[in-house]
Amino acid sequence: GAVVSQHPSRVICKSGTSVKIECRSLDFQATTMFWYRQFPKQSLMLMATSNEGSKATYEQGVEKDKFLINHASLTLSTLTVTSAHPEDSSFYICSAGAGGPPYNEQFFGPGTRLTVL
Amino acid sequence: KQEVTQIPAALSVPEGENLVLNCSFTDSAIYNLQWFRQDPGKGLTSLLLIQSSQREQTSGRLNASLDKSSGRSTLYIAASQPGDSATYLCAISRGAGNQFYFGTGTSLTVIP
Repeated sequence: GAVVSQHPSRVICKSGTSVKIECRSLDFQATTMFWYRQFPKQSLMLMATSNEGSKATYEQGVEKDKFLINHASLTLSTLTVTSAHPEDSSFYICSAGAGGPPYNEQFFGPGTRLTVL
Repeated sequence: KQEVTQIPAALSVPEGENLVLNCSFTDSAIYNLQWFRQDPGKGLTSLLLIQSSQREQTSGRLNASLDKSSGRSTLYIAASQPGDSATYLCAISRGAGNQFYFGTGTSLTVIP
């Protein structure tokens, strides 16, 4: 199947710093990527939809100025957590669709574990 | 908004047993449904994808069914093995290119 990578896989930072997470589709192009967040022992919750060449669409309750998304190319989307705080500590996962309709099978990255001290 | 629920939340079975995981959803206007497994601290591995026009999909020891009218999907695992221990998530898409709504997950433990 298609491969989606994320970098870094794990990051620990001090409160107040910014962290950038990359999501890449390695062998296919994705005009749309999705960013999810998963808190311990909870399911994945969609944060935002990243659209190549246009602004991201954020879910209700997700601060667009805090979670900056840039989808600069058809294979790369980045999520920047600005001025991170301990409550932002979570597992961040991106996904991209491959194969087009009617499949729209989503392939997920391995995730990024963010710990804010 | 689509609500996706999985029952049971946790399940423990002896090795070799057949088992069924359940997923229910509130909005029958789905595009497709996908089952994933997630190992602790890891990302998601896609297991099976069922398009809205299909009723089931099979891969090896796994069989997933879909009944849109009743808002249900099941994942059947035959002859369970300790390596099957993981959290299983179902997710539903409402359209091509749309995001997925995830269920609450079932944590499966297969005891050797």
